[in-house]
Amino acid sequence: AQSVTQLDSQVPVFEEAPVELRCNYSSSVSVYLFWYVQYPNQGLQLLLKYLSGSTLVKSINGFEAEFNKSQTSFHLRKPSVHISDTAEYFCAVSSGYSTLTFGKGTMLLVSP
Amino acid sequence: SQTIHQWPATLVQPVGSPLSLECTVEGTSNPNLYWYRQAAGRGLQLLFYSVGIGQISSEVPQNLSASRPQDRQFILSSKKLLLSDSGFYLCAWSVRLDVGELFFGEGSRLTVL
Repeated sequence: AQSVTQLDSQVPVFEEAPVELRCNYSSSVSVYLFWYVQYPNQGLQLLLKYLSGSTLVKSINGFEAEFNKSQTSFHLRKPSVHISDTAEYFCAVSSGYSTLTFGKGTMLLVSP
Repeated sequence: SQTIHQWPATLVQPVGSPLSLECTVEGTSNPNLYWYRQAAGRGLQLLFYSVGIGQISSEVPQNLSASRPQDRQFILSSKKLLLSDSGFYLCAWSVRLDVGELFFGEGSRLTVL
């Protein structure tokens, strides 16, 4: 069975500060990893994904995540956040043998 | 391009009443379809998924059921709602079942009173 742990339920940060949202997974096989973002009262949108190849993946709006197999992690980072980044972020894993498993989410709160 | 529509967006229902949430996908054929429920602080719970017409897999035993009468239509139903059915319901589709890249609808917020 696979599982995802997002250790922080809420991360408050000031605008223009860097941020890291942590994600750890467990799986007995190779994995595909995802970060989804959810703005209030909306569905989830795919932010970035790791399927294979380079372990560092980037989104178009400045977020990046690095797949670390030895630490079974896929942390999400951004060097400088904006107010508009306020949202809930979900880490998710699939193993190729089952459907997607989501973490419980991390609420990113960006204040001026 | 592909789009996914979900309705109604919001509904308030009394305990014991029936439920029907609908989801349709446009611009693709034979999608994999999913229903998730999101409760505060509990992340997303996969309720049902479907790989084809009439094929429904249930992930969690509960008061809900799902049907797929057409290739791009997915319906979530209940005959008698419980208070615990309140939540934010999300429909999603994917090309592949195993890779996990999902595309979500806008969600339906259900409040059971």
